Amino acid sequence: AQKVTQAQTEISVVEKEDVTLDCVYETRDTTYYLFWYKQPPSGELVFLIRRNSFDEQNEISGRYSWNFQKSTSSFNFTITASQVVDSAVYFCALSEETSGSRLTFGEGTQLTVNP
Amino acid sequence: DAGITQSPRHKVTETGTPVTLRCHQTENHRYMYWYRQDPGHGLRLIHYSYGVKDTDKGEVSDGYSVSRSKTEDFLLTLESATSSQTSVYFCASRSGTSGRARETQYFGPGTRLLVL
Repeated sequence: AQKVTQAQTEISVVEKEDVTLDCVYETRDTTYYLFWYKQPPSGELVFLIRRNSFDEQNEISGRYSWNFQKSTSSFNFTITASQVVDSAVYFCALSEETSGSRLTFGEGTQLTVNP
Repeated sequence: DAGITQSPRHKVTETGTPVTLRCHQTENHRYMYWYRQDPGHGLRLIHYSYGVKDTDKGEVSDGYSVSRSKTEDFLLTLESATSSQTSVYFCASRSGTSGRARETQYFGPGTRLLVL
């Protein structure tokens, strides 16, 4: 069975600090997909990134970067020089090709960036 | 992002009444999903559809039914609402066809349901 763990329930930082959100996953499939979604206070779910199990390249998009490590089953998300607008709940999610690509979500990490 | 809308956006109902939530997408996506979001649980899958008239259960399907008569619409019905079904409900869709984005689910804005 697939499982996603986000051990950090809440993180609070001061603006311009770097912050890393942790995500650990469990799966028996060899083909799977990992995702990060952002849920701002307005409530919608915004897709940030998708990573395939066969592509371990790290990715950077502006102030956001993702570190995918199959050896430790982790897919961590780093925000560099955080801003107040980054305050949101961030969800890590996993889908397996053999389970109809249904998403299993972690419980989310509430990030608060203080001015 | 996929054009996904949900209706109603907010609803208050009484225990024992039937409730239907609607999800509408304009992207011709094959797959559609219903999730519920509750504190301490993240999002959990209720039901999903892999084509018109093709549906399957998720991990929290008890008390819910779904229907998909057209590609663009996916309905979630609470046959007899209970207070435990008070939640925020999200619909999602994905293409499932070729291309890098075929596995990505895009979400609607959510429906807040309060069952009194």
